Amino acid sequence: DQQVKQNSPSLSVQEGRISILNCDYTNSMFDYFLWYKKYPAEGPTFLISISSIKDKNEDGRFTVFLNKSAKHLSLHIVPSQPGDSAVYFCAAYGNKLVFGAGTILRVKS
Amino acid sequence: DAGITQSPRHKVTETGTPVTLRCHQTENHRYMYWYRQDPGHGLRLIHYSYGVKDTDKGEVSDGYSVSRSKTEDFLLTLESATSSQTSVYFCAISEAARGYGYTFGSGTRLTVV
Repeated sequence: DQQVKQNSPSLSVQEGRISILNCDYTNSMFDYFLWYKKYPAEGPTFLISISSIKDKNEDGRFTVFLNKSAKHLSLHIVPSQPGDSAVYFCAAYGNKLVFGAGTILRVKS
Repeated sequence: DAGITQSPRHKVTETGTPVTLRCHQTENHRYMYWYRQDPGHGLRLIHYSYGVKDTDKGEVSDGYSVSRSKTEDFLLTLESATSSQTSVYFCAISEAARGYGYTFGSGTRLTVV
């Protein structure tokens, strides 16, 4: 049973527009959330994180929003660039990191 | 570069043969992890280590064993490979049990035929 769910397998966005990637979780004990980015033939790399005591964290073009009541978080990328095309994994800390299935983002130029 | 390397990068093996994947780190991190990545499942934890000779199971540990005799090396062994173990395997390291996440290696693509 997946505790972290990314229900959109893929997303296609035009360059310059906003990309919104969504993630839902079921375990209310999760208290720290992360987004990882993965290019083909490489390992995942850390992108941005948020603690459960916050509802927003921003780093340049990347912003993560957390809605604890809905057990939902989202990653916003503004503006999207072709180099952002990758697989994005949502992850949550319980005892260890638990990952979602990933969303493939394609940014078209 | 985080100083974590996996070997081999690619391997094809036959069903029923033993296979060992190696993860080597130069960061002196205490925690090491083995994940597998499969379509529709994301990254799933196989085993992890919280120190030399200290290991524990993850969510998909059946058919796998691990060993850590030195801080820098974490070995993953498939005792008798099956086609269901065809996957991409990632090693990860972290300095603390919790923090800003893990640093991953580049992965090993294993095909069991």
